[in-house]
Amino acid sequence: NAGVMQNPRHLVRRRGQEARLRCSPMKGHSHVYWYRQLPEEGLKFMVYLQKENIIDESGMPKERFSAEFPKEGPSILRIQQVVRGDSAAYFCASSPLVSKNIQYFGAGTRLSVL
Amino acid sequence: KNEVEQSPQNLTAQEGEFITINCSYSVGISALHWLQQHPGGGIVSLFMLSSGKKKHGRLIATINIQEKHSSLHITASHPRDSAVYICAAEDNTDKLIFGTGTRLQVFP
Repeated sequence: NAGVMQNPRHLVRRRGQEARLRCSPMKGHSHVYWYRQLPEEGLKFMVYLQKENIIDESGMPKERFSAEFPKEGPSILRIQQVVRGDSAAYFCASSPLVSKNIQYFGAGTRLSVL
Repeated sequence: KNEVEQSPQNLTAQEGEFITINCSYSVGISALHWLQQHPGGGIVSLFMLSSGKKKHGRLIATINIQEKHSSLHITASHPRDSAVYICAAEDNTDKLIFGTGTRLQVFP
């Protein structure tokens, strides 16, 4: 049973470009969470999704950021028109159907905006 | 004031020492998580607990719901335990609210 897979591990974008971060949850997990870790700061919740549904997006910036978790395929975190302040490590975690479970984290995607 | 506070922020120890990291929270929670972030950045879940105590190898986590406080203990510490340890409160909407982490260095 493979763990949570995130790709790419490292992503470099120029200001104004789009960044697409992918997360494949563990097999059998239908809950996906995205977190952001800014340099020298702690982790912050961004969005919580179940298949085809956004459950809680209270941590998402109001503009340029979107997330989806389609019926088939990985969850995608999309950042449009990236700015330098978007440079961070983005972690995805998944958990099984039943809530209040340990969340299994991916290795993260480190986004650098030039 | 952060909703989840950890102490100390930094901790150094000699190999073999007993280590305690503390976490206090001010929000209502359904569970409390302890995570370990390796120097390379990867994150591993160590414990999820909602009451009492859990033990895994040399790691022990305790929680006191009334006092809104949890502790992570490491017995017989080893240099490979060097990492950042993060406490996270799971609120009643299944969201994790993270502490800022405790950076532990264990020297041989």
